[in-house]
Amino acid sequence: QQQVKQSPQSLIVQKGGISIINCAYENTAFDYFPWYQQFPGKGPALLIAIRPDVSEKKEGRFTISFNKSAKQFSLHIMDSQPGDSATYFCAASLQGGGNKLTFGTGTQLKVEL
Amino acid sequence: NAGVTQTPKFRILKIGQSMTLQCTQDMNHNYMYWYRQDPGMGLKLIYYSVGAGITDKGEVPNGYNVSRSTTEDFPLRLELAAPSQTSVYFCASTGTGSNQPQHFGDGTRLSIL
Repeated sequence: QQQVKQSPQSLIVQKGGISIINCAYENTAFDYFPWYQQFPGKGPALLIAIRPDVSEKKEGRFTISFNKSAKQFSLHIMDSQPGDSATYFCAASLQGGGNKLTFGTGTQLKVEL
Repeated sequence: NAGVTQTPKFRILKIGQSMTLQCTQDMNHNYMYWYRQDPGMGLKLIYYSVGAGITDKGEVPNGYNVSRSTTEDFPLRLELAAPSQTSVYFCASTGTGSNQPQHFGDGTRLSIL
């Protein structure tokens, strides 16, 4: 049973545009929601993360919006750049339990000039 | 710092062969993880460990074994390779505090023919 659903599977955005990736979760016990960025041939790397006690977190051009009642969260990339072209994964974890992550299926983002 | 190091980077196995994927980290992290990544499926947790001598199954453990004799090393063993185990395997580690980011290696690309 997939506990974190991610969409879209792929996304093409023009340089300078806004990239939006959405995730929905089922387990209301999740209490930590990170986003990972992965470039070809590399492992995922933490991009930004949020806890459910806040509705938004911003770091530079990257913002997470969190809607606890809807059990949804999203990543917004402002002023998207070709260097942002990568695969993005949302994830969720429970406090304790070995900090295990449940990942979404990933979104391949391509930012065109 | 090297972070998380995985070897080999690529490997081709024949059906029924066995092999060990190596993972070592130099961050003194207690928690370590093995994931497999298949196209369109995200990352699935195979096994994890919360410390030397302690391992536990993840979501997709069948066909794999692990051991954790030291804090640094967490090898993954395939005993009888099957085509379904063709995948990219990632090792990760993190500290014991809550909501710590997982640090990933660059993966081992494994093909079973």
